[in-house]
Amino acid sequence: GAVVSQHPSWVICKSGTSVKIECRSLDFQATTMFWYRQFPKQSLMLMATSNEGSKATYEQGVEKDKFLINHASLTLSTLTVTSAHPEDSSFYICSATWLWQNTEAFFGQGTRLTVV
Amino acid sequence: GIQVEQSPPDLILQEGANSTLRCNFSDSVNNLQWFHQNPWGQLINLFYIPSGTKQNGRLSATTVATERYSLLYISSSQTTDSGVYFCAADPFNDMRFGAGTRLTVKP
Repeated sequence: GAVVSQHPSWVICKSGTSVKIECRSLDFQATTMFWYRQFPKQSLMLMATSNEGSKATYEQGVEKDKFLINHASLTLSTLTVTSAHPEDSSFYICSATWLWQNTEAFFGQGTRLTVV
Repeated sequence: GIQVEQSPPDLILQEGANSTLRCNFSDSVNNLQWFHQNPWGQLINLFYIPSGTKQNGRLSATTVATERYSLLYISSSQTTDSGVYFCAADPFNDMRFGAGTRLTVKP
């Protein structure tokens, strides 16, 4: 299957700082990328959907100004957690798909964010 | 948005037993996938199966799109099958996960 690489795999940051997470499709062009958040022992909750070249669509309850998503190219999307707080600590996972092939989604390995 | 329900939430098996996990979804889908999440959190893609039946070794899956459900079969379970199994459904550009089934296989 196609490969999606997410970086970093884990990050620890101080409260009040910003953290950027990258999601790259390595061997295909991703028209759409999804960002998910997962708390311990819970399911993956969709945060936002981003289509290349356009603004992300955020799910209800997700703060746009706190979770900045950029999908500037067909191979890269970034999620920036701004002014991070301990409650933002979570596991963040991205996925990518390309609509004109089929709709199978491929997932990155996830990023574990700890805010101290 | 689409609702995705998985059952059972928890399943405990003896090694060698067979099991069936179910996923119901509330709308027509272009995509239905099954995943196994490993202890490190990585999602292992088991099946891309918006309709029909597929098999991969001891695992197989069936999706009946017209009745809006999918089944994941695990035969001759092994302790390494333990973990959380998720299904995710996507009507179009809106991929949603079920709550998962936590499978424990005892030796």
